[in-house]
This record gives sequence, structure tokens and C-alpha cells, in this order.
Amino acid sequence: QKEVEQNSGPLSVPEGAIASLNCTYSDRGSQSFFWYRQYSGKSPELIMSIYSNGDKEDGRFTAQLNKASQYVSLLIRDSQPSDSATYLCAVNGRDSSYKLIFGSGTRLLVRP
Amino acid sequence: GAVVSQHPSWVICKSGTSVKIECRSLDFQATTMFWYRQFPKQSLMLMATSNEGSKATYEQGVEKDKFLINHASLTLSTLTVTSAHPEDSSFYICSVEGQGRWDEQFFGPGTRLTVL
Repeated sequence: QKEVEQNSGPLSVPEGAIASLNCTYSDRGSQSFFWYRQYSGKSPELIMSIYSNGDKEDGRFTAQLNKASQYVSLLIRDSQPSDSATYLCAVNGRDSSYKLIFGSGTRLLVRP
Repeated sequence: GAVVSQHPSWVICKSGTSVKIECRSLDFQATTMFWYRQFPKQSLMLMATSNEGSKATYEQGVEKDKFLINHASLTLSTLTVTSAHPEDSSFYICSVEGQGRWDEQFFGPGTRLTVL
């Protein structure tokens, strides 16, 4: 079992729709959860971090965390073509909390 | 956050040569920097953790003698790929911990290495 799992996609949504990206993790001891956006050929960019159960909103982005289910998600409201990218879920590691374990990413395509 | 630069942004070299990649933290002093590698259509894999003034900590399976890391100052870490081979061709990215939460990482723009 991979430590951080994501559906590779692509997830295709029309412009203006809500995109829902999901991630599960295996280590119940993880405390920090992050979503990064990576455009093709570029490095990852941190867009959201979440540490407590529940929702955290930042502009069009909402991160949701459920530690009991070991599940973290990212909602993108009013999706724009410029949101088309790969979204990486990252969780702090088992042995050293400062290390991040990345999922393989979900590719999002927003259709104009 | 943190502002991170890398140099060069891309490099092409012949098999058997060594390549040095620099990672700089531009807006604050970074005690810890991280080096990742990303192959096409794959996720980021942590190679090593670079600590200022001490030896780097390498992840399992990463050859210390092949990937030399030097963190000589609080703003600069270097990764040297020694005797590079075509299988070392990859996207190498460094990151630093942010000034806010210590567990947030901010990435440099990356260095694309192609070994012929």
C-alpha cells in the first residue's frame, strides 16, 4: 500500500464547475497535510495546508481533512482553465515529521 | 513563504561528467534544505535533507557518493551529480522550510538534467 494515494486522473471539469480532488494516507500519526499545484515542466507550488479536522477555505480553494478516515481533499470552486495542472497531496512522514511524502498527483483539466 | 532559486535551470552533459546544481534561499536563512528528484509523470521523491554545517541525510537507496550535497551556508546548498549517466536524467528540485510553519516547504524552480 502506498503511503499517500491519489487518483492519477485526468479529472475533466467544465469551466465554472467545482473540481474535487481526493487523497488518502496510510500513517495515522501524520499531522500535517498539504496540497501543491504543479504545472507541466514547473516545480510544485504550495496552495493549501491543513492540520485540523474539518474545512479550511482560502479564496476558491477549500481543503478538507478527516483524520479518522485518513482522507484529505481539495475543492476548487469556479474552476478556470488556468487551474489545469497536476495537484499533489503531501503528508508529513512517519519517522521524521519534517519530511513530506508526496502522492503521485491528480491531473486536472478544466475545459473552457 | 520563502523565495528559492536554483541554478542552472537546465543542463545537458555527457555521460561520465559531473554536474553541480545550486539552491539558494533568497529571503531568509534556511537551516534545512531538501533535494528531490522527479522522473517524467512520476511524483517527487526525496533524495536527501541538507543541514547547514553538517552532513546531509540521505534517503534509503540514494547513493551518497554519487549525489554529493554541501550546505555551506544558511542560504546555499549544492547538489553535485558525479559521473552522471543517462539514467540520472531527471528534474531536480530543492525546497526550504518556510518562515512561518516549519513543516511547510517551498520549492525552487527546478533543474532539468539531461545526460547524453
